[in-house]
Amino acid sequence: KNEVEQSPQNLTAQEGEFITINCSYSVGISALHWLQQHPGGGIVSLFMLSSGKKKHGRLIATINIQEKHSSLHITASHPRDSAVYICAVRGNNDMRFGAGTRLTVKP
Amino acid sequence: DAGVIQSPRHEVTEMGQEVTLRCKPISGHDYLFWYRQTMMRGLELLIYFNNNVPIDDSGMPEDRFSAKMPNASFSTLKIQPSEPRDSAVYFCASSRGRQPQHFGDGTRLSIL
Repeated sequence: KNEVEQSPQNLTAQEGEFITINCSYSVGISALHWLQQHPGGGIVSLFMLSSGKKKHGRLIATINIQEKHSSLHITASHPRDSAVYICAVRGNNDMRFGAGTRLTVKP
Repeated sequence: DAGVIQSPRHEVTEMGQEVTLRCKPISGHDYLFWYRQTMMRGLELLIYFNNNVPIDDSGMPEDRFSAKMPNASFSTLKIQPSEPRDSAVYFCASSRGRQPQHFGDGTRLSIL
């Protein structure tokens, strides 16, 4: 079993839909990151969080430390949100990555 | 403000050759990370530096890989000798403290 599990692996949505991507982890962490990788390959760090909830524009990330679970929500999804979303957890000296969720938003 | 700059963007070389990947972090950032991404294994952390000092290199696959950070504005990842299984996209990222990381555009490496 991977230490960082993401679901779903693939997600197709219609423009405007509310999207949720989930991440569960089994190791102790100091922080959790959500990354976005566009089809061109570039990686952008969306959030880094260790507790609670963060919001940036249409994106919201939450984390429940007790349940070892985080969610990334996208409200009013748009085709430009199409990308691979990667959950990464940071331990003391290392980082473990989920396999990513490929999101396609259709117009 | 310039982002993290990696060079080259693409590298194609023959097995056995030495490969050097370069990274210039964002000025003022004190952490630098090297990652590798493949279809089979996804993203992996290879090594990271804090204030030019390697903190954890447990992700470096084997002795053929080495990384240096001679100063705050430059780092290299070297593979010698290279093998086809080293083909991947290598990303460099930097951060200020434990803040979110900024990624470079990556170097796409192909070993023939």
